[in-house]
Amino acid sequence: TQLLEQSPQFLSIQEGENLTVYCNSSSVFSSLQWYRQEPGEGPVLLVTVVTGGEVKKLKRLTFQFGDARKDSSLHITAAQPGDTGLYLCAGDPQEYGNKLVFGAGTILRVKS
Amino acid sequence: NAGVTQTPKFRVLKTGQSMTLLCAQDMNHEYMYWYRQDPGMGLRLIHYSVGEGTTAKGEVPDGYNVSRLKKQNFLLGLESAAPSQTSVYFCASSYSGLANEFFGPGTRLTVL
Repeated sequence: TQLLEQSPQFLSIQEGENLTVYCNSSSVFSSLQWYRQEPGEGPVLLVTVVTGGEVKKLKRLTFQFGDARKDSSLHITAAQPGDTGLYLCAGDPQEYGNKLVFGAGTILRVKS
Repeated sequence: NAGVTQTPKFRVLKTGQSMTLLCAQDMNHEYMYWYRQDPGMGLRLIHYSVGEGTTAKGEVPDGYNVSRLKKQNFLLGLESAAPSQTSVYFCASSYSGLANEFFGPGTRLTVL
């Protein structure tokens, strides 16, 4: 059982559509991060959220940290083919110290 | 800056053979991590280090050893490789330990 559950596992959409990816847990996290990974490469950090209820925007990407710091979401507006990739959420549970646990990831494919 | 580099990129081993994976970073980061990534499971922490000369176990340490003799290098060793260690291995480094900001490109290891 993953400490961080990501949904959906796979998402295939048309260019221009909106989408939301969820990351949920029963544990409280000191912070949550979102990464994007392309085939054959390492994950690249997109954002870190640390305050319950925090919302961060990165161009067409909006990240939200739940009020109770147990969940997070990533919303993409008007998806583009360049958004295609594996999206990973990760967090450091309060009981783990400075170590991250990762969700299994969401594979996003945006078709033109 | 090269960032985080990993050597080798690919390797095939026979069961029982040993090998060492090298991770190097040129950002003067204190924290370094070794993960393995398997389909449907996200990244799992094998070992980590919070500074030169220190190492600690992560989530899945069995069958692996690590050393951090120099601040810029973090070595992952497999003493007697097993097919269950077939995976993609990622090294990461971080300045603050809050998030794994920089990942290497990965090493794809196959154990026959």
